[in-house]
Amino acid sequence: QKEVEQNSGPLSVPEGAIASLNCTYSDRVSQSFFWYRQYSGKSPELIMSIYSNGDKEDGRFTAQLNKASQYVSLLIRDSQPSDSATYLCAFTGGGQNFVFGPGTRLSVLP
Amino acid sequence: DAEITQSPRHKITETGRQVTLACHQTWNHNNMFWYRQDLGHGLRLIHYSYGVHDTNKGEVSDGYSVSRSNTEDLPLTLESAASSQTSVYFCASFENFRTEAFFGQGTRLTVV
Repeated sequence: QKEVEQNSGPLSVPEGAIASLNCTYSDRVSQSFFWYRQYSGKSPELIMSIYSNGDKEDGRFTAQLNKASQYVSLLIRDSQPSDSATYLCAFTGGGQNFVFGPGTRLSVLP
Repeated sequence: DAEITQSPRHKITETGRQVTLACHQTWNHNNMFWYRQDLGHGLRLIHYSYGVHDTNKGEVSDGYSVSRSNTEDLPLTLESAASSQTSVYFCASFENFRTEAFFGQGTRLTVV
C-alpha cells in the first residue's frame, strides 16, 4: 500500500460549488496533517494544518481528520476560479519527515 | 523578511556532468529537505538534514548527495547527471513537524 493516496483527478467543479478533496495515509503514528496548494509552475504553499480528529475551519476551507480511518479531507466552499490548482496532502511520517501525496488537480469552471 | 531561495531557477546540463543546486534560507531553521517533483509522483524526498553536519537519505537518494556546513545552506549535488534526473527540484525548510514547511521557488533541471 502506498503511504498516501489522494483522489484521482482532475476534479472539475462549477464556480460556487463545494470541492471535496480526499486523502488516505498508511502510517498510524502520524500526528500532523497538512494541505498545500500548488499553482502550475509555482512552489507549494500551506493552506491548512490539522492535528486532532474532527473539523477545522478557516474561511472557505474546512479540513477534516479521522485518525481511526486514516483519512483527511479538504472542503472548499464557494469555489472560485482562483482555487484552480493542485492540492497536496502531507503528513509527518514515523520517520520524522514530511510525506506528500501525489496531488489532486482541481479545476473550477466559471 | 525571512525567505528561502534556490538557484539556479533553470539549468540544462549534459549527461555525466556534476551539477550542484543551491538552497539558502534565512529562517534559521534546523530542518531542511530536498524533494523532486515529477508528473504522477508528487513530491519525493531526496535528502534531508536536521542540523549542521547532519544529513539523511530519503526515498530517492541514489545519485544525489548533500552537505550541511551551516544552518542556512543545503546544496544538492548530482554526482553524474542522468536523464532520469530531469525534474523540478524543491528545497524546503521548517521549524518543527507541527509547523509550515516553506518552499523555495524550485529549480527546473534538464539533463540532455
